[in-house]
Amino acid sequence: KAGVTQTPRYLIKTRGQQVTLSCSPISGHRSVSWYQQTPGQGLQFLFEYFSETQRNKGNFPGRFSGRQFSNSRSEMNVSTLELGDSALYLCASSSGSSYNEQFFGPGTRLTVL
Amino acid sequence: AQKVTQAQTEISVVEKEDVTLDCVYETRDTTYYLFWYKQPPSGELVFLIRRNSFDEQNEISGRYSWNFQKSTSSFNFTITASQVVDSAVYFCALSEADFGNEKLTFGTGTRLTIIP
Repeated sequence: KAGVTQTPRYLIKTRGQQVTLSCSPISGHRSVSWYQQTPGQGLQFLFEYFSETQRNKGNFPGRFSGRQFSNSRSEMNVSTLELGDSALYLCASSSGSSYNEQFFGPGTRLTVL
Repeated sequence: AQKVTQAQTEISVVEKEDVTLDCVYETRDTTYYLFWYKQPPSGELVFLIRRNSFDEQNEISGRYSWNFQKSTSSFNFTITASQVVDSAVYFCALSEADFGNEKLTFGTGTRLTIIP
């Protein structure tokens, strides 16, 4: 069974630009969660999508948004990039049941200059 | 609000020594799940174990063992006979067990270095 894939793996943007990251979950998984990892703040939950609907949201500004498609693939968008958005963005896939066992992708490392 | 504390920021041990990583959590829920993840230099989080709040039995998996104590709100992780490949950052995480709540709250991680 293929694991969680994230594209691109690395990205360099400048302040003010916007960026879209993609995540393909494990086949059959309907839930996709996004996390931001920075040295200062650690791992923080961004949001979770289940069956094309945002089901949970963390404490991030509206510049961070996402969506999920009918095939469960998910995209995350960050508009008006700031230097502090530089981070490793991790996507996690799960079946969406109450067990909450999540499988993580390799991440997208975003650098904002 | 949920909270996970990993007080040990960095630990270094010599290969073959045993090492314990501490995790203390806070939650008002009676039903919850606890996890440990390993993050090697590649960056991908690797699932190690999940434990629900009603199962306090200790678990052993090869050189890995976990000690869950609700009385002290701790879920500690021990590596026996450590190896260089165990070098990584280890995260403890907590999740509510309500259906539809796929949110993990992570600790700040413990960087473990095994010295050959």
